[in-house]
Amino acid sequence: DGGITQSPKYLFRKEGQNVTLSCEQNLNHDAMYWYRQDPGQGLRLIYYSQIVNDFQKGDIAEGYSVSREKKESFPLTVTSAQKNPTAFYLCASSRDSIISYEQYFGPGTRLTVT
Amino acid sequence: GEDVEQSLFLSVREGDSSVINCTYTDSSSTYLYWYKQEPGAGLQLLTYIFSNMDMKQDQRLTVLLNKKDKHLSLRIADTQTGDSAIYFCAESGGSSNTGKLIFGQGTTLQVKP
Repeated sequence: DGGITQSPKYLFRKEGQNVTLSCEQNLNHDAMYWYRQDPGQGLRLIYYSQIVNDFQKGDIAEGYSVSREKKESFPLTVTSAQKNPTAFYLCASSRDSIISYEQYFGPGTRLTVT
Repeated sequence: GEDVEQSLFLSVREGDSSVINCTYTDSSSTYLYWYKQEPGAGLQLLTYIFSNMDMKQDQRLTVLLNKKDKHLSLRIADTQTGDSAIYFCAESGGSSNTGKLIFGQGTTLQVKP
């Protein structure tokens, strides 16, 4: 079964702690993306990666970091510098970022920071 | 800059047609997409339309694109309670060539039995 997995589904952290959200895909897609979703808002792009060992900041990258050491994995770290980290985080992938823009999404991770 | 706007809420009766509207600003968008999100879940790609098309039909779904007015709509025929969800319109950032999608705020569709 091909798809995108995100774990865990729910995550709770204390303020001041860094936390890493996992995203794995077995679709052999080159491009991967991280979005943040807040109630009543659309998705906002945090970081994206068009190819292994390369990534770019999206619209709201401050307080987040990523790595892309393997094609199938694109973990997102929410650092203590992120002022309002509680949100629903969605990972997506696409075959490539130029020819095909269809993005396929994982089930999401709901992060709550108290 | 690039922007996508949608109305926030639509309520219909089961069996009626639903029409969800979207406007966008980037005239160089290559593709426009409709995604569906059920509660607590990720986004599911419903359909998409290439920018040189006016209409695309896929079973109960009809997408209409008015490129002159930068207006996109999704019509769901014979709406069912299982269609209750949030629907997102998205455009590809045609001028940026990075695969970025710009999403609207989402339209919550409520289907009453």
